[in-house]
Amino acid sequence: DIQMTQSPSTLSASVGDRVTITCRASQSISSWLAWYQQKPGKAPKLLIYDASSLESGVPSRFSGSGSGTEFTLTISSLQPDDFATYYCQQYNSYPFTFGPGTKVDIK
Amino acid sequence: QVQLVQSGAEVKKPGASVKVSCKASGYTFTGYYMHWVRQAPGQGLEWMGWINPNSGGTNYAQKFQGRVTMTRDTSISTAYMELSRLRSDDTAVYYCARDWSGIAVAGVSYYFDYWGQGTLVTVSS
Repeated sequence: DIQMTQSPSTLSASVGDRVTITCRASQSISSWLAWYQQKPGKAPKLLIYDASSLESGVPSRFSGSGSGTEFTLTISSLQPDDFATYYCQQYNSYPFTFGPGTKVDIK
Repeated sequence: QVQLVQSGAEVKKPGASVKVSCKASGYTFTGYYMHWVRQAPGQGLEWMGWINPNSGGTNYAQKFQGRVTMTRDTSISTAYMELSRLRSDDTAVYYCARDWSGIAVAGVSYYFDYWGQGTLVTVSS
């Protein structure tokens, strides 16, 4: 199985900050990576797919980059609604696996 | 609008089985793969498998092979996930999640654009 890691595990930030979350795969997954946002008690929400494609309706302050084994999710200017946990997911090969999550909380 | 509405919370004893339903509306049910993902309390997300609602074909994560069965009833636009021989570490919220791609357009994408609200399954003696 492909192992996904994320860093940091927790990130404290303020409204307006630029935030970057890193996701690493244990082997190359090309660009087959998605990012999700999850709030407590809610289902995940798709933000980014194919490493850098923005899902329809997602604010443009979210962006994704990377390929191979290293990927980043960037929030250009953190908004109050963005405090949540973020997960990456590889879909290069079965079984599809998720990272452990990065919690973004209020500084 | 697309909606996935799941069945209610369940409490099961170890060794029992559970069947969770996911009723789809707002789109052509047979046009999109359906995946199942679970999340143990306070933990991350774990993909369990998919079903092609059109053909009934399935693909399960090896971890769950032999214990999971995904089915569908196209007449009522509902997908099901049954997990047998439950253990305490199966306690989790189980989600159905629609594949992003329409089967006719691009086949399958393996990432998920619409999710059910989740069904908590508690396994306890």
